[in-house]
Amino acid sequence: DTEVTQTPKHLVMGMTNKKSLKCEQHMGHRAMYWYKQKAKKPPELMFVYSYEKLSINESVPSRFSPECPNSSLLNLHLHALQPEDSALYLCASSQEVRPYNEQFFGPGTRLTVL
Amino acid sequence: SQQGEEDPQALSIQEGENATMNCSYKTSINNLQWYRQNSGRGLVHLILIRSNEREKHSGRLRVTLDTSKKSSSLLITASRAADTASYFCATDALSNTGKLIFGQGTTLQVKP
Repeated sequence: DTEVTQTPKHLVMGMTNKKSLKCEQHMGHRAMYWYKQKAKKPPELMFVYSYEKLSINESVPSRFSPECPNSSLLNLHLHALQPEDSALYLCASSQEVRPYNEQFFGPGTRLTVL
Repeated sequence: SQQGEEDPQALSIQEGENATMNCSYKTSINNLQWYRQNSGRGLVHLILIRSNEREKHSGRLRVTLDTSKKSSSLLITASRAADTASYFCATDALSNTGKLIFGQGTTLQVKP
């Protein structure tokens, strides 16, 4: 299984809502990533988890809260988001955090904040 | 700051023609990768070239890397309508963190 799955595919939420994005992989990868991508722009790294520990937080606002409950699962908890947070949120995984590892991406969650 | 810049921003060709995209970056790297993204979907890894390699092939793809000029090119030969997508280069900036920095991307349209 070489797939990264993400749920939901689409999410619409208000600024006072709390929601979560879910990402799952069963490739035995020990590195997982969250990216944010605005329309017609490249993906921007948000968080990196290595062996279930947060290793990089790219100065992401605290209204985004990542969680890695186990080696296969990655969540992104959302709270009090702003309309400018509307974007495609991509999850990715790789064997480990090291050079020469390709990253496998999920299809993304399209988030709209009203 | 963006590590990679790509040109052209957009490219439109006929099926069967070759497509060439270029990527420039600013700092030293371990490797450079190319990804494809179909509209509104996840990215698909195409090819990885290490800093000590100059050229690499995979099917209809040919990637070159010139570390002295800090640039790379992706050539797609005999293009097909299914190649229509955005193409991004990504570099690791010599970090061992797994962090990739993506270029701005080239949008390729292949007309049947």
